[in-house]
Order: sequence, then C-alpha cells, then structure tokens
Amino acid sequence: SQQGEEDPQALSIQEGENATMNCSYKTSINNLQWYRQNSGRGLVHLILIRSNEREKHSGRLRVTLDTSKKSSSLLITASRAADTASYFCAPVAGGSYIPTFGRGTSLIVHP
Amino acid sequence: EAEVAQSPRYKITEKSQAVAFWCDPISGHATLYWYRQILGQGPELLVQFQDESVVDDSQLPKDRFSAERLKGVDSTLKIQPAELGDSAMYLCASSLESGSGNTIYFGEGSWLTVV
Repeated sequence: SQQGEEDPQALSIQEGENATMNCSYKTSINNLQWYRQNSGRGLVHLILIRSNEREKHSGRLRVTLDTSKKSSSLLITASRAADTASYFCAPVAGGSYIPTFGRGTSLIVHP
Repeated sequence: EAEVAQSPRYKITEKSQAVAFWCDPISGHATLYWYRQILGQGPELLVQFQDESVVDDSQLPKDRFSAERLKGVDSTLKIQPAELGDSAMYLCASSLESGSGNTIYFGEGSWLTVV
C-alpha cells in the first residue's frame, strides 16, 4: 500500500469557478481512486482511474492520470457550494487493496 | 441503497474506561476495514478483515485496541483503557473483496471524545 499526497492542502473559490486538486504518489499503481468527505461524515467514493487510462469523466468531475510523473489531478467544473468538502486520493498498488489516505485537500466553495 | 452501519455515532468516555464500536458492513461484503481519523488528518488504517480473518493489523495498537469479526459479518472495535489521544473519528468501511478494483464504502463514523 502507499499513501497519496494531495496538493494544495486548502483551496477557496467562488461558486461557478473550477477547482483543481493534485495527487502525487511514489510507486507503480494499479489504479487511483478519489474520495470526498463532507465535514464530520464518512468518505464517499467519487471515481476510479486505471493505470492504463489517462483521463476519465463523471458528471462535473474530470480526473487525469500521468503515470510517468506519478501524479493525478481532480478537476471539479462549475463548482457549487455543496462541493465544499475534503478530497482524498488513494493510489492502489498490487492486488491487495488497502487504501491509504493523505491529509486531503480542503475545498471551500463560497456562494 | 445499502449502507455501512456504525454505532454509536457519538461517544464521550473518561480516560481509562473501556469503549466499543460496532459496524455492520454492506451485505455480502467480504472485506471490512477500521480506520481512525484525527481531526484535520486523513483516515489511518487500523485493521483489515477478509471474512473473519485479520489480513492486516500492523497499525493497530494492540496493547489497548482489539478488533473482531467472529462470524465474518459485523465487527466490533474495542479500546481498553481509553487514553486522551484516542479522541478521533472511527470509520468502518467494506468492499466486496480486497481486490484493487473494488470500491470501498464507508460508514458515517463514530466520534470518540476521551475526557
């Protein structure tokens, strides 16, 4: 297992703007997953991108993966106040999935 | 939609007392995880079960923490004695199997405050 490191640690934007969060990891991965956590709640799975994929979309979410740079990014387009949450990446290596999380990116979207 | 159930949602206990958390994973999920999340940090894995067997408990402070999943369904995490530094949210999660492509589903967590 390995831990992703999210950047920036905090992001504050206005409603309607795009939000971009980055994730870096250290070793080869099988896939990388992004999760969201609203304040005081559990984590919710957002999207999974496999190592042979470069880009994936889900609604207003766009995830990219660059395995040569060992990095991923999560883009939220046309952000809403309800997107205010912490966002975590979980890089996954090998066949035994033990998700490990970094400190996350705390996103605040101002109405 | 099926959910991971956890209880209690909130618990306040005095240090040196015992405390227990319960988790009921999504039906049919063989893999169960317990995480601890300190305020402002990401979740830290404490223990992973595959059915009733422990797969990984390397980060579980075994002098005071114990976890069991006797029948391979629901699980209990116990802390005895509780210390001030144990104040955190304890998250339970489950997945169909432990393969790398499986989605992890989290419960709402159990908040522990040790006073």
